[in-house]
Amino acid sequence: QVQLQESGPGLVKPSQTLSLTCTVSGGSISYGSYYWSWIRQPAGKGLEWIGRIYSSGSTSYNPSLKSRVTISVDTSENQFSLRLNSVTAADTAVYYCARERGEYSYVDYWGRGTLVTVSS
Amino acid sequence: EIVLTQSPDFQSVTPKEKVTITCRASQSIGSNLHWYQQKPNQSPKALIKYATQSFSGVPSRFSGSGSGTDFTLTINSLEAEDAATYYCHQSSSLPRTFGQGTKVEIK
Repeated sequence: QVQLQESGPGLVKPSQTLSLTCTVSGGSISYGSYYWSWIRQPAGKGLEWIGRIYSSGSTSYNPSLKSRVTISVDTSENQFSLRLNSVTAADTAVYYCARERGEYSYVDYWGRGTLVTVSS
Repeated sequence: EIVLTQSPDFQSVTPKEKVTITCRASQSIGSNLHWYQQKPNQSPKALIKYATQSFSGVPSRFSGSGSGTDFTLTINSLEAEDAATYYCHQSSSLPRTFGQGTKVEIK
């Protein structure tokens, strides 16, 4: 059973960088045709896809965030990470890491989510 | 970007009633449409994949239909445990997008 767990600071100051890591257990991040994704959800609102990475390091980002986002993978640690620069209060949300089952597929595993608040 | 529009935004339903949620895509996405259920303070859970395919372990009262631009999630004989927000999601093109959600409340 694959499990994903987000970790990182719960509070980030405006204009600084939000950094989160997702640790994958129960399966190797390198095997299979899976894409490893970040999705966020502001309180009381819907889901926003941030971007994803393949084990090869190939990335895709949401154009609305592309200038500020970097997703990277560390296959040796079975982890992938999110960096979001120049954050504002609008970036306050629950951040989920997730696995997409294939290039044109659904999300089959989600992390429990971690709340990141942007505030001074 | 493909925009997914769900209706209604909110539905208050009596147990055993039938619930129908629609999701309309701004352009054709074939069958690359999936449905998720999210309960408060939980991660979303996949209910239906590729418009019509069920997951093992998901109650048979949940079903999906549609293709192209118009899709439907149906919950037959609603149960109290089905109180949640339901989202559609497209995997046809990047960026991936979700509908705005439909909150189902039990009367």
